[in-house]
Amino acid sequence: AQSVSQHNHHVILSEAASLELGCNYSYGGTVNLFWYVQYPGQHLQLLLKYFSGDPLVKGIKGFEAEFIKSKFSFNLRKPSVQWSDTAEYFCAVRGGSYIPTFGRGTSLIVHP
Amino acid sequence: EADIYQTPRYLVIGTGKKITLECSQTMGHDKMYWYQQDPGMELHLIHYSYGVNSTEKGDLSSESTVSRIRTEHFPLTLESARPSHTSQYLCASSMTGVTNEKLFFGSGTQLSVL
Repeated sequence: AQSVSQHNHHVILSEAASLELGCNYSYGGTVNLFWYVQYPGQHLQLLLKYFSGDPLVKGIKGFEAEFIKSKFSFNLRKPSVQWSDTAEYFCAVRGGSYIPTFGRGTSLIVHP
Repeated sequence: EADIYQTPRYLVIGTGKKITLECSQTMGHDKMYWYQQDPGMELHLIHYSYGVNSTEKGDLSSESTVSRIRTEHFPLTLESARPSHTSQYLCASSMTGVTNEKLFFGSGTQLSVL
C-alpha cells in the first residue's frame, strides 16, 4: 500500500523567507507525485506534479519540488514566500492503485 | 476554475437523520471520488467511481453509500447520521487516460451532527 508522510504540520515564516516542506512516500514501484494547495476559503487545487523526466518540477507562483527517488522524497520549495502563500499544502502519491493518497497537510502562515 | 459543485456548503443536523451530500461536475470526467478531511489529518478516501454504475469503497471504512447513475453526479448518503460523522467531505473528479491527470476538487461540505 502507498502512504505519504509530511513532516511539518505547522510552519510560520516571515515574508521573503525561504520555504521547504518535507514529503516522503512509501511505495516500491513507479509513482506520480503531487502537491496540492488550499488557500483560505478556497477549494484544493493542484500546485505542481511529477510524472516522469526531469525530477525538478516547477509549479505555479514560483513553487518547485524535487523528486529524489533514492530518498522517496518530493519536497516543496520556494526561495521567497509572500503573505499570499498562506495556505494548507498537501502532498499526494499515486502508485499502483491509480488513486492518490494524501498526507495530513502542512499549514503555512506567512507574516507580512 | 474547477467545474465541480458540492451542496450544501454547511449542514448541521440531529442524530439519526438521513442526509445526502450532493456532488456534480460538468467536465465529463469519468472518475469521481469522496474524501473525508478532519483538521490536521490526511484526506481519507471513502468512495470512488470509475464511471457510471461503478462504485468502490475506499481505504477508510465508512457507513455512507454512494451512487453513480449519471456521469456528472456522485451523491453520498448517510442513512442515519451520528456525531462521529462530523467532518468535512470533499468531492473530486478526474479524467482517465490523460498523462497529466489531476484531481479537481469541490469546495467541500462541512457536516456537523449533533
